Amino acid sequence: GAVVSQHPSRVICKSGTSVKIECRSLDFQATTMFWYRQFPKQSLMLMATSNEGSKATYEQGVEKDKFLINHASLTLSTLTVTSAHPEDSSFYICSARRQGDEQYFGPGTRLTVT
Amino acid sequence: GQNIDQPTEMTATEGAIVQINCTYQTSGFNGLFWYQQHAGEAPTFLSYNVLDGLEEKGRFSSFLSRSKGYSYLLLKELQMKDSASYLCASSGSARQLTFGSGTQLTVLP
Repeated sequence: GAVVSQHPSRVICKSGTSVKIECRSLDFQATTMFWYRQFPKQSLMLMATSNEGSKATYEQGVEKDKFLINHASLTLSTLTVTSAHPEDSSFYICSARRQGDEQYFGPGTRLTVT
Repeated sequence: GQNIDQPTEMTATEGAIVQINCTYQTSGFNGLFWYQQHAGEAPTFLSYNVLDGLEEKGRFSSFLSRSKGYSYLLLKELQMKDSASYLCASSGSARQLTFGSGTQLTVLP
């Protein structure tokens, strides 16, 4: 195995509210987790790299105060979209890296902000 | 910096062979991944190349030339279920992945 889960799979929220997405590695410890965003018909864009016990590293153009990442344990990372707006509507995917270079992807979370 | 190029779309016939090319420019290169992604789903791992040459895994094979910054994914005996987006991704010095825009493959009966 190497299973990564995400919760929720779909979420609809109102503009201005915050949404938390969980990413869990179910059968292995992941020192590093990654958060991606994918808009329709586009590829995955890396948002941030999350290392257990330390602050996340954000990619250029990604607001760290808007997309809060917490990697509290070796099996759990959370992404909180604060004060969500319709333009934040997207497919958010996490991945977890075990030993080596391969990343295992979660099933994704479809966020719709109304 | 990172730059990945792959064709946007390809079409092939069931039972045929198709080759999807990818060129990359990656600082601190640590390997090349291929993923398959069906619409609305997360990517699934297909292959990983870090050394030059061909890696074969069933109906799928992947090739890498580090000197040319070039890779391809070869799909044999195409099936209808192979219709999907195929993502080329390079691993950089910090082991982060940079994805290409994806190649949408359509398999026709």
